[in-house]
Amino acid sequence: EIVLTQSPGTLSLSPGERATLSCRASQSVSSSYLAWYQQKPGQAPRLLIYGASSRATGIPDRFSGSGSGTDFTLTISRLEPEDFAVYYCQQYGSSGYTFGQGTKLEIK
Amino acid sequence: QITLKESGPTLVKPTQTLTLTCTFSGFSLSTSGVGVGWIRQPPGKALEWLALIYWDDDKRYSPSLKSRLTITKDTSKNQVVLTMTNMDPVDTATYYCAHRGPLLPLGGYFDYWGQGTLVTVSS
Repeated sequence: EIVLTQSPGTLSLSPGERATLSCRASQSVSSSYLAWYQQKPGQAPRLLIYGASSRATGIPDRFSGSGSGTDFTLTISRLEPEDFAVYYCQQYGSSGYTFGQGTKLEIK
Repeated sequence: QITLKESGPTLVKPTQTLTLTCTFSGFSLSTSGVGVGWIRQPPGKALEWLALIYWDDDKRYSPSLKSRLTITKDTSKNQVVLTMTNMDPVDTATYYCAHRGPLLPLGGYFDYWGQGTLVTVSS
């Protein structure tokens, strides 16, 4: 089973700053099957990025994804107040689906 | 417009079997490539994938929970049912069902989610 490790656990930034979130896999992941989600308190996760770098419908272009193999990154170019939330990466592979443990993006 | 909604008990006792139903609209589970999955989230913790059923009735389970899970579908009712046996307090979580679209060309993600249902396991 592929394990996804996200870092940092918590990221403290101010609105307007750039956020870089990391997702590292224990073995190679197909870029086609790597996704990122945003989750706010009391809400279901929201799909942001699929295929490692494709934005889901309605997602602002300040969100971007990159990476391949075992290292993937979610970047938020300029933080808006509504971007402070928990972010999860997720992969699909031969043994099913796994999620990372999440990165909490908090206001500094 | 795709929507999903989970239903089931909010409280179960240890050792009991949990049965959750996902009722969906806006898509058909007989469409090639489509799947419906279950994901849970203990309070304050991360998401954990549990199971997924495909349009062709193929089923996949989390390796760590496979012995306790069963997923089925009723295409005519637009429902997917998850059963989890031998419930324990550590299974207390919000349980979500979600739509998974075709795998190709870029797939393996959950694009629509239900609101979730909190299940507490306690005597």
